[in-house]
Parts: sequence; C-alpha cells; structure tokens
Amino acid sequence: DAGITQSPRHKVTETGTPVTLRCHQTENHRYMYWYRQDPGHGLRLIHYSYGVKDTDKGEVSDGYSVSRSKTEDFLLTLESATSSQTSVYFCAIAAGLVYEQYFGPGTRLTVT
Amino acid sequence: GQQLNQSPQSMFIQEGEDVSMNCTSSSIFNTWLWYKQDPGEGPVLLIALYKAGELTSNGRLTAQFGITRKDSFLNISASIPSDVGIYFCAGQLNSNYQLIWGAGTKLIIKP
Repeated sequence: DAGITQSPRHKVTETGTPVTLRCHQTENHRYMYWYRQDPGHGLRLIHYSYGVKDTDKGEVSDGYSVSRSKTEDFLLTLESATSSQTSVYFCAIAAGLVYEQYFGPGTRLTVT
Repeated sequence: GQQLNQSPQSMFIQEGEDVSMNCTSSSIFNTWLWYKQDPGEGPVLLIALYKAGELTSNGRLTAQFGITRKDSFLNISASIPSDVGIYFCAGQLNSNYQLIWGAGTKLIIKP
C-alpha cells in the first residue's frame, strides 16, 4: 500500500462546470502524476509534479490545470468540464530515487 | 509522442497454461516496468527491470529486459483465475521521471 487516496471516487457533473480532483499521499514522495485512462488509449499523462509548486505538462494537458501547494496533495482541475473529459483519472507517486510509480484507486468522472 | 507496442492486445487462455506477452519500441529504454490492473482498481507494479538482459521473477511471473533495450517480455506460468486482468508495460526513456505506457494486454481465462 503506497498510502495514496483519491477523492472523490466517483463524480457526475454537467458540461461547463468546474471540477477538482484531489490526490493525497502520506509518504512525502517528491513526484506525483495525474493520468487519464480511456478504452483503447491505455494510460495517458495529463500533468505531473516534481515538487511543491513545481509542475509540468504531460501528453494530454489541454483543458486541465494542476496545483501542488503541499507535498502531500496534488490537485487536478477541469476549469470547464466537457464530455470528452469523461474518464477514469488516476493519481500516481514516485519516490524519485527509482522510476517505479505507484497508483491510487482512481476517480471515475462522468460529464453529462 | 513515443510509443510502446504491446502485444497481444488480448489473450484467451485455459487455466494452467503459460502466458507470454511483450512490449517493443524503436527507442532505447533505461527501465522497464510491468503492471497489472484489476477491474475498478489502479495498476499495481509487478516487476521492475533496470539492466539490459536482466531476468527477474516474482512468483509465477518472469520478466526480461531485452538485450537491445528496446523490448521487454513478461511470462506467466501455470495461469490461475486470479491472473485475469490487464497487464501494462511501461518504459522510462530519459531522466525526467515520466513513463511511456503500452496499451495493455487483456488476459481472459476460458471457462
């Protein structure tokens, strides 16, 4: 157990509304990641963080923003949700000494 | 972006059979990782490989880091029902702590 929680675990929202997903870790790992998983696409990186207030874009960052004000929390925000953002979102952490990533349980987001 | 070709896309197997899957790329990787994902859960790390030619086992699972550093293989011996799920390979290409992911191999046990 890598001590990663995600909240909420399920959310249904309407198109155009803002949504924030939270990832919380208890082990002070330096690296945190947000992925989305869709059928036929595997895992795609949205944004990642390499420290407090240090973030960078991933492969599919358009329409998403992130913030990391504390080591333990990494927030993913959809400023104005669209139906194409319906997906399962996973948070992952890495210690930084090795490249192994450990995943949270996921958040299933449905945008209607 | 960078791509990992993972095959097969899905496999139907009988309980007790051995299973093989692989990932290939045109790029040279420094690390290969193999994950398993059960329905409704996040991927779980099975095996990590850090050296070309490395062969590592985890119970009935064995994975190898290809000599060319462009591929990796995962074998499961004597499959059991709990082996069903999706297996992902992931490779680390450079030093920025991002992973490149394969599309997954879905393992299904024939009833």
